[in-house]
Amino acid sequence: GAGVSQSPRYKVAKRGQDVALRCDPISGHVSLFWYQQALGQGPEFLTYFQNEAQLDKSGLPSDRFFAERPEGSVSTLKIQRTQQEDSAVYLCASSLVWREGLYEQYFGPGTRLTVT
Amino acid sequence: DQQVKQNSPSLSVQEGRISILNCDYTNSMFDYFLWYKKYPAEGPTFLISISSIKDKNEDGRFTVFLNKSAKHLSLHIVPSQPGDSAVYFCAAEGGFKTIFGAGTRLFVKA
Repeated sequence: GAGVSQSPRYKVAKRGQDVALRCDPISGHVSLFWYQQALGQGPEFLTYFQNEAQLDKSGLPSDRFFAERPEGSVSTLKIQRTQQEDSAVYLCASSLVWREGLYEQYFGPGTRLTVT
Repeated sequence: DQQVKQNSPSLSVQEGRISILNCDYTNSMFDYFLWYKKYPAEGPTFLISISSIKDKNEDGRFTVFLNKSAKHLSLHIVPSQPGDSAVYFCAAEGGFKTIFGAGTRLFVKA
């Protein structure tokens, strides 16, 4: 595909349910990022992968959040026992390389999660 | 603590005039600063960046200015067009993280 895709685009979960959000980065992009964007705010960093290695997960808000990228391509963000405060848009972004100069991040359209 | 701040939630400008969007930051260790543009129901799209060792970068109608002593950067759009109406995010790169401001919604009136 031409860009970063995310699925589902919208997810409604009941409080306490587990959810899994998928990101398909641009083919060949080494770096992958997850962000959480609350209403009226900018994206907030959650975690970063370089190929299959998760190099920074300092932004994950609790141990209910888990991300993986087992083959260095598709990534999944999993949220266990969802809470209302988890309601947000979850954005995925990919880039060619990171830290060898600056490479722009390409963002997907996001998954809007609503926890009821 | 907010390391990147965009203090104006919205800005309205007449078509053809200059749009100036402002951003302040607190961490002097940031290496790069970026501006992203976002339309509704889409992810942010990269617009322009500037290295911390420069004070200006220009790309067509878009120019970013960096004032390191004031820890301030700005995005100038000249001339503004109705298609520029969007939310603009200022961002700073530090380590593996990109830290975003809260965004400024720009309205360009025809």
